[in-house]
Amino acid sequence: GAGVSQSPSNKVTEKGKDVELRCDPISGHTALYWYRQRLGQGLEFLIYFQGNSAPDKSGLPSDRFSAERTGESVSTLTIQRTQQEDSAVYLCASAPGRAGNTIYFGEGSWLTVV
Amino acid sequence: GQNIDQPTEMTATEGAIVQINCTYQTSGFNGLFWYQQHAGEAPTFLSYNVLDGLEEKGRFSSFLSRSKGYSYLLLKELQMKDSASYLCAVFSGGYNKLIFGAGTRLAVHP
Repeated sequence: GAGVSQSPSNKVTEKGKDVELRCDPISGHTALYWYRQRLGQGLEFLIYFQGNSAPDKSGLPSDRFSAERTGESVSTLTIQRTQQEDSAVYLCASAPGRAGNTIYFGEGSWLTVV
Repeated sequence: GQNIDQPTEMTATEGAIVQINCTYQTSGFNGLFWYQQHAGEAPTFLSYNVLDGLEEKGRFSSFLSRSKGYSYLLLKELQMKDSASYLCAVFSGGYNKLIFGAGTRLAVHP
């Protein structure tokens, strides 16, 4: 597609339920990032995929969070047993290749845990 | 550890010039980005610096000093639409992980 596509754009879920967020990167982009942004705060790095290399998971806040990506295609971020503190916008970004290339953001998935 | 510092908030007057500073301490360095983010929207790319010096792009300029771990974003001829958060981000680490500062909220007043 023309840009990074994320779905759902908005999700309201009950505490304790699992949610799955999807990111479809720009075609040909080998790098894919997930960030979390709480209201009024900065972007918090979660995970980074680069081609077929092992992902950098150092930003995942707990074992309730996991992400997958098959090759250079779609990625899914899964949050298990959601908590109210998980309420945030989850931003996905992609970039061609390694350092020095602009990363392009999707519009985000707004998650509200009630 | 990795640390990126920016002022939390700034205010400026329409038509004026404002400089937003960013200092960083990261394990490795492969470039620095500035992004603009309007409330409720995704960040959009403004500039990229990997070598020391000033990069100018229209009303926006960005400066980098790698030896000092310092960058600034300069906005000239401020417009009301420039009211937004400005995010400093650094590529660091072996996998080129892009780490963001907390952002600077700029309010432009008439």
